[in-house]
Amino acid sequence: GNSVTQMEGPVTLSEEAFLTINCTYTATGYPSLFWYVQYPGEGLQLLLKATKADDKGSNKGFEATYRKETTSFHLEKGSVQVSDSAVYFCALSRDSGAGSYQLTFGKGTKLSVIP
Amino acid sequence: KAGVTQTPRYLIKTRGQQVTLSCSPISGHRSVSWYQQTPGQGLQFLFEYFSETQRNKGNFPGRFSGRQFSNSRSEMNVSTLELGDSALYLCASSLTREKLFFGSGTQLSVL
Repeated sequence: GNSVTQMEGPVTLSEEAFLTINCTYTATGYPSLFWYVQYPGEGLQLLLKATKADDKGSNKGFEATYRKETTSFHLEKGSVQVSDSAVYFCALSRDSGAGSYQLTFGKGTKLSVIP
Repeated sequence: KAGVTQTPRYLIKTRGQQVTLSCSPISGHRSVSWYQQTPGQGLQFLFEYFSETQRNKGNFPGRFSGRQFSNSRSEMNVSTLELGDSALYLCASSLTREKLFFGSGTQLSVL
């Protein structure tokens, strides 16, 4: 079946440090890939997405490239801020038939950024 | 434009009881999905509704059910609650398959 594996947290970084959160996936066919972010006490928000191989998703300084050869979708940011502290989820979307689809999520990586 | 609204925000129940959670999607969104979030299992797909029909269902026991109304509002019901049902239940609505909008969730505690 489909699965997503992302690096265990928590991750603690100093402000302006470089961020990488690794994500690899197992899926049949050609899934779409996503990064979602969850701030404390809130639901998930879509951060970025990529729908085909070699696509790069980007938003708010975060980037991730869909690498089919390595089945990876690593999240990166060049300079993190305290406001980036949150839990980050890697996910894939597969077509379940009849027009339906569902997201398969990784376990999440908690990021804490200290001033 | 109002986001996805879930009520109640917090709920405490005892084992054996049943519970109903509500979700109001973003106006115009006809697809509503439900996910269970726990520290151990992470986020797991429960089911998806579109135009009052269940299109997809995850691997949860029959105690978990849902429905969608003609105005796209959705409810999910859990009967005969177990301690392991304690979780954050998230609802998401969407207009297209590529972008889900999540509510803040209902935190259910089963004692």
